[in-house]
Amino acid sequence: NAGVTQTPKFQVLKTGQSMTLQCAQDMNHEYMSWYRQDPGMGLRLIHYSVGAGITDQGEVPNGYNVSRSTTEDFPLRLLSAAPSQTSVYFCASREQNYNEQFFGPGTRLTVL
Amino acid sequence: GQQLNQSPQSMFIQEGEDVSMNCTSSSIFNTWLWYKQDPGEGPVLLIALYKAGELTSNGRLTAQFGITRKDSFLNISASIPSDVGIYFCAGPSTMKTSYDKVIFGPGTSLSVIP
Repeated sequence: NAGVTQTPKFQVLKTGQSMTLQCAQDMNHEYMSWYRQDPGMGLRLIHYSVGAGITDQGEVPNGYNVSRSTTEDFPLRLLSAAPSQTSVYFCASREQNYNEQFFGPGTRLTVL
Repeated sequence: GQQLNQSPQSMFIQEGEDVSMNCTSSSIFNTWLWYKQDPGEGPVLLIALYKAGELTSNGRLTAQFGITRKDSFLNISASIPSDVGIYFCAGPSTMKTSYDKVIFGPGTSLSVIP
């Protein structure tokens, strides 16, 4: 099993550009989440999904869109990148009835 | 919404020393999770606690679920260089509108001096 994979590992964008961060898991987990990590702020939940076709907002959803068309994939879209979105982004997945989340290796995004 | 606080924010210790850190909240949690993040990696679950007063060990790590349900503690005995990283506490939200969300604290950064 590859676990949770994320692409790309690094990305530099200009203000106003759009892009999609990819996340996939091969563990057949129902739940998937996107977090951003900033120094001293811990991990803040952006969006999450409890199954294919179902998504909901987390603590900091503004400027991000998600969709969940399959169990395996949960892409995160930045519609118009802003410098405030410079961060490290982590995707995570877990089974419905278990609390252990499995995290991907992260995407380091810089917006100039 | 619910928030978690962690202290200390950072620690610098000598190899071989014991480490204590804690996590507190103004609201109760029914599960406490402790994660470790190695530099450049995603967090990995160390210990999960499900019952008030529970004390659970994982090798040199011991964690406790506070009696009030509003705090949890993590101890590391005889620290070694590979203990370096950020330690996060986390818990599934107990708010009716947020049961599916897992909330993370800001983390405690641990540095071990050989």
